[in-house]
Formats: sequence, structure tokens, C-alpha cells
Amino acid sequence: ILNVEQSPQSLHVQEGDSTNFTCSFPSSNFYALHWYRWETAKSPEALFVMTLNGDEKKKGRISATLNTKEGYSYLYIKGSQPEDSATYLCAFMGHSGGGADGLTFGKGTHLIIQP
Amino acid sequence: NAGVTQTPKFQVLKTGQSMTLQCAQDMNHEYMSWYRQDPGMGLRLIHYSVGAGITDQGEVPNGYNVSRSTTEDFPLRLLSAAPSQTSVYFCASRDRVGTEAFFGQGTRLTVV
Repeated sequence: ILNVEQSPQSLHVQEGDSTNFTCSFPSSNFYALHWYRWETAKSPEALFVMTLNGDEKKKGRISATLNTKEGYSYLYIKGSQPEDSATYLCAFMGHSGGGADGLTFGKGTHLIIQP
Repeated sequence: NAGVTQTPKFQVLKTGQSMTLQCAQDMNHEYMSWYRQDPGMGLRLIHYSVGAGITDQGEVPNGYNVSRSTTEDFPLRLLSAAPSQTSVYFCASRDRVGTEAFFGQGTRLTVV
């Protein structure tokens, strides 16, 4: 079983502040790193799929970076809003298949934005 | 475009009962998977399929059965429900080349 770690487990941020959290994954046999946003009572939705070392992706106020050589990715949220409150999941995919179906998920970072 | 449709949304079972969770996708995806989500555990893979007629076990397969007779459908069967199977279940599908996964809306199952 592959080790995909996310930190911190939970995070409280004031509205308007910027924040970031980390996903660490195996640095060998890398194929892709996914980020998902998971709101309470809904299903996870993809934010980014990143495949190249040094990749930077952006969607509105949310961006992500990728370092495949050292095995980590950062997710950044600029100017947090209450609607950003959610659990953010990363998932690793390796060339050999990663997890059994190709995706091994971390346990997520639970983000709460306080007005 | 329906995406991934998962039914039912909620279910209460008695210990020992059996049931089937349904999952259907209309995106012609080859990969389909079932996950369970428990507090503090993240998403754990139960079973997955890489195409019609092909299934395999994930991290936590015990007590569950799957089949994939068509590309569209991937039902999950609980053979004899146990309280340890109380969880939220998600079905997901994705294209084989490794693009994003699409998730169903989840099934909250309680076994009493």
C-alpha cells in the first residue's frame, strides 16, 4: 500500500487570509497527482490533475504546485472565502498503477473558513 | 449528461441482510471503482474494474462482491451485512489514460 500523506489534518483560517497545505507521495514511478475538493454532503470534484515536475495549475483563487523529485505538492488558496470550506484530497497515480485502481488517496485536509 | 449515478442515497440494513449498491456511468469510462469513507480513514478502495468482465480487489474487499457485465454498470454487493460495514460508499469512474475521477453522490449505509 502506497503512502500518501496530507498535512495538516484540519485547518481553521480567517476569511480573507491565504493558506496552503501539503500532499506528500512516493517520488518513484510517478505518473500523476490529483487534487479534489470535497464539500460536506456532496461528492469529491476534481480541481487539478498534474503530471509534470514543476507544474503549476490555477483555478480562480486556488493554485497548486508539484515537485515530483522530492514527492510533494502544495495547494494554495488566496483570500479565503466561506465557500472554500471543504475537505481537500490529493491522490497519487504511479506508472505501475499506483494504488490497485491507479489512485491512492490521502486522508485529506479539512479546511474551515471563519467569517 | 448524468455522469456517475449511484443509488440508493441512504440505506439501513439489519445484520445478516444482503443488498446491492448500484452504480452507472454514461461517459464510456473504462475504470470504475468502489470506495468507502470512514471518519479519519479517507477513501479506501474496495473493488475496482478496468473494463467489462474484469474486476479485482482493492484494499478492503472482504464482505463485498462486484461484477462488471457492461461498461456502464458496476454494482457492489454486500453478501451478509455487518455493523463494521456502516460507512459512506462512493462509486467513481475515469478514463483509462489517467484523467480525473468522477464520483457518484454517495450512499450512506447503516447496519444495525
